[in-house]
Amino acid sequence: KQEVTQIPAALSVPEGENLVLNCSFTDSAIYNLQWFRQDPGKGLTSLLLIQSSQREQTSGRLNASLDKSSGRSTLYIAASQPGDSATYLCAVDGNNRLAFGKGNQVVVIP
Amino acid sequence: DTGVSQDPRHKITKRGQNVTFRCDPISEHNRLYWYRQTLGQGPEFLTYFQNEAQLEKSRLLSDRFSAERPKGSFSTLEIQRTEQGDSAMYLCASSLGRESQEEFFGPGTRLTVL
Repeated sequence: KQEVTQIPAALSVPEGENLVLNCSFTDSAIYNLQWFRQDPGKGLTSLLLIQSSQREQTSGRLNASLDKSSGRSTLYIAASQPGDSATYLCAVDGNNRLAFGKGNQVVVIP
Repeated sequence: DTGVSQDPRHKITKRGQNVTFRCDPISEHNRLYWYRQTLGQGPEFLTYFQNEAQLEKSRLLSDRFSAERPKGSFSTLEIQRTEQGDSAMYLCASSLGRESQEEFFGPGTRLTVL
């Protein structure tokens, strides 16, 4: 069974600092890895999708890397803003469904 | 707005009652998924459809739960004889239907069982 772990569970950073969120997974046989953002009481917004053959994906201030062999992914958010405050979820697709971590709860302090 | 809609957004019910949720996926998406999320946890897979066929069900989906996707379009998730432990956010997602395709999530239905 795929296990996904996200560290740290929660973090606070001052506005302008770069954010680094980590995700690890136990089974490297995956099709892809997705990072999502979730605001309180809301659904999930897809941020980045990395195919298993890729090493990284970038979208604006967001960059995600994937090291499939070691079972790790990192999401970088450059120059954080208060609007980046949310929970970030990592999910791996390996068997016709997504397996999620518990998320990184981020607060960006103005 | 991802293009996936869910109805209702919130549902409060008494223990023992039946509830039904609806999900409308992005129109060209063949796959439709249901997940459940409790407070402080990531979503957990419940079941998925390829067109109208329900291909897999999680052990989380007890006999009180049933899901349908008639004609491969919208889907419904019904919970019979609700229990307080069923209180959660129920999320629907859809994708194009091949491996490695991005999943797009709806806003969820928040269920509270009193």
